[in-house]
Amino acid sequence: DAGVIQSPRHEVTEMGQEVTLRCKPISGHNSLFWYRQTMMRGLELLIYFNNNVPIDDSGMPEDRFSAKMPNASFSTLKIQPSEPRDSAVYFCASRPYLGTDTQYFGPGTRLTVL
Amino acid sequence: AQTVTQSQPEMSVQEAETVTLSCTYDTSENNYYLFWYKQPPSRQMILVIRQEAYKQQNATENRFSVNFQKAAKSFSLKISDSQLGDTAMYFCAFMGVRGGADGLTFGKGTHLIIQP
Repeated sequence: DAGVIQSPRHEVTEMGQEVTLRCKPISGHNSLFWYRQTMMRGLELLIYFNNNVPIDDSGMPEDRFSAKMPNASFSTLKIQPSEPRDSAVYFCASRPYLGTDTQYFGPGTRLTVL
Repeated sequence: AQTVTQSQPEMSVQEAETVTLSCTYDTSENNYYLFWYKQPPSRQMILVIRQEAYKQQNATENRFSVNFQKAAKSFSLKISDSQLGDTAMYFCAFMGVRGGADGLTFGKGTHLIIQP
């Protein structure tokens, strides 16, 4: 079975540019999570969806960040405009259904904003 | 809000030794889940072991076991017969079960180095 798929794996962009990160959860999973990992702050939950509906976006750092889940098999995290402090590894994770506990992580996207 | 604390930024042991990584957490919830994730240099997050708070029995997965002390809010990971491939960052994580698909709250991690 394919795991969680994220693209791109690496992204280098310049300050002010729009960045879109993509995630395909494991088929049949209906909870999806976006995390950010930095040296300073560690792993932080940004937002999560249940049945394509955003449940908690309190971790989204600023209005420059937005996330969507138009259907059960695709989600995007967008940063517009990007800033150097957004440089981090962004993980997507999915979980089978409400009430189960184990999240399965994608390989992450390493974002560098120059 | 929950917090997770890992007080050992880095540990180093010899191959085949046993090592224990510590984790404490703070929560007002009575029911929750605890996890240990491994992150090797590839940066992939790999689930090592999980514990349900309402279960008194400590979880075990092959060479990995936990010491779960609910009253003390402690959740340590023991790795027996350590191997070179165990070298990685290890993250302790908490998840509440308030009825929603709660996200994980992570500790800062412990960098474990297994020396040959």
